[in-house]
Amino acid sequence: GAVVSQHPSWVICKSGTSVKIECRSLDFQATTMFWYRQFPKQSLMLMATSNEGSKATYEQGVEKDKFLINHASLTLSTLTVTSAHPEDSSFYICSAKSVGTTQETQYFGPGTRLLVL
Amino acid sequence: GDSVTQMEGPVTLSEEAFLTINCTYTATGYPSLFWYVQYPGEGLQLLLKATKADDKGSNKGFEATYRKETTSFHLEKGSVQVSDSAVYFCALDNYGQNFVFGPGTRLSVLP
Repeated sequence: GAVVSQHPSWVICKSGTSVKIECRSLDFQATTMFWYRQFPKQSLMLMATSNEGSKATYEQGVEKDKFLINHASLTLSTLTVTSAHPEDSSFYICSAKSVGTTQETQYFGPGTRLLVL
Repeated sequence: GDSVTQMEGPVTLSEEAFLTINCTYTATGYPSLFWYVQYPGEGLQLLLKATKADDKGSNKGFEATYRKETTSFHLEKGSVQVSDSAVYFCALDNYGQNFVFGPGTRLSVLP
């Protein structure tokens, strides 16, 4: 089946640094990838939709300059948390939708846990 | 906009008990419906799905039937195990747009 990987699986960084999270579709091409954020004991919140070769579409309330998204190829999207602060600590999950599908299941990555000290 | 409502947890059951987690949705059109499971410290795993009315999704003993008339997709399992302890998310996908997730229901199964 379709597999989506994320790297790193967890990261600890100092406040003020930037952190890059990679999301890869391993055995299929994804024109669209989604980035979610999950706070402890809460549901997933969609942050942005990433389309290959174009700018990401951010949900209301998500700072695009804070959370930089790049979807450079059909198998890779990256989320960069710039100048991270403790309140950015969260579980970030990506998902990918394969090319040529209409009503299709999204495939989710295993998530990246970010802790900002 | 589209939305998904789930019964509030946590739900605590004894092993071999019957499980029902209610899920109802609001959406235009005819969305696909999903149940995802999240084990502690892990990402989401697709548990089952249904793409049209009266479809029944099933996997690992879990079942859910797409009920358009009641806009529901309740999750059931006849006999839960300790290993089923996790958070369960109901979700919908409306014509390939972004997913809308319910708030999640935490299930704890005691031996």
